Amino acid sequence: SQQGEEDPQALSIQEGENATMNCSYKTSINNLQWYRQNSGRGLVHLILIRSNEREKHSGRLRVTLDTSKKSSSLLITASRAADTASYFCAPIYNNNDMRFGAGTRLTVKP
Amino acid sequence: NAGVTQTPKFQVLKTGQSMTLQCAQDMNHEYMSWYRQDPGMGLRLIHYSVGAGITDQGEVPNGYNVSRSTTEDFPLRLLSAAPSQTSVYFCASSYRSLAGGVYEQYFGPGTRLTVT
Repeated sequence: SQQGEEDPQALSIQEGENATMNCSYKTSINNLQWYRQNSGRGLVHLILIRSNEREKHSGRLRVTLDTSKKSSSLLITASRAADTASYFCAPIYNNNDMRFGAGTRLTVKP
Repeated sequence: NAGVTQTPKFQVLKTGQSMTLQCAQDMNHEYMSWYRQDPGMGLRLIHYSVGAGITDQGEVPNGYNVSRSTTEDFPLRLLSAAPSQTSVYFCASSYRSLAGGVYEQYFGPGTRLTVT
């Protein structure tokens, strides 16, 4: 399968804590993207990291990429109740198709 | 810009009926794709297109047809609906670089389809 696989499947934390989600994939990628989906809505792009990058930041988000381990992580710092959503990683392979895993369901309790 | 629009938002079909889900984008994106999402699962790629006149199969193409006659539109056709096609369908588009790399995808709001 070319899908990204997120871990854990579900994560529940208190407001203010950090949330870390992991993604693993199988073969060489062009880039890897993270998306958020609020219940019943479409996906929203969060961040893209290229295969030659190791870390990227965007506001409270930090993404790392380890191509030797074929894995990526998404860290959300100082989480808020509004961060409650499902988070998906999407490895982009050289043939340009983009496949999503089952996602990590994050619940941030106020 | 309207972004990515999808119609209809909701649809109920009987088994064997056919229909077309519409998708349009006004961002001049070359790359467009269709996904389905079943409860508690991620998105599965049905078909994608890297430009007008070019389409390719994704992970779950059976039972679906697509065409790309213009840059803006990428309709998805269900030829003979089956209950297994009950799902939420998302269309997305993306800028594609000259080197062929695909960047962030913009998603439509989705079409919730029920086949009875």
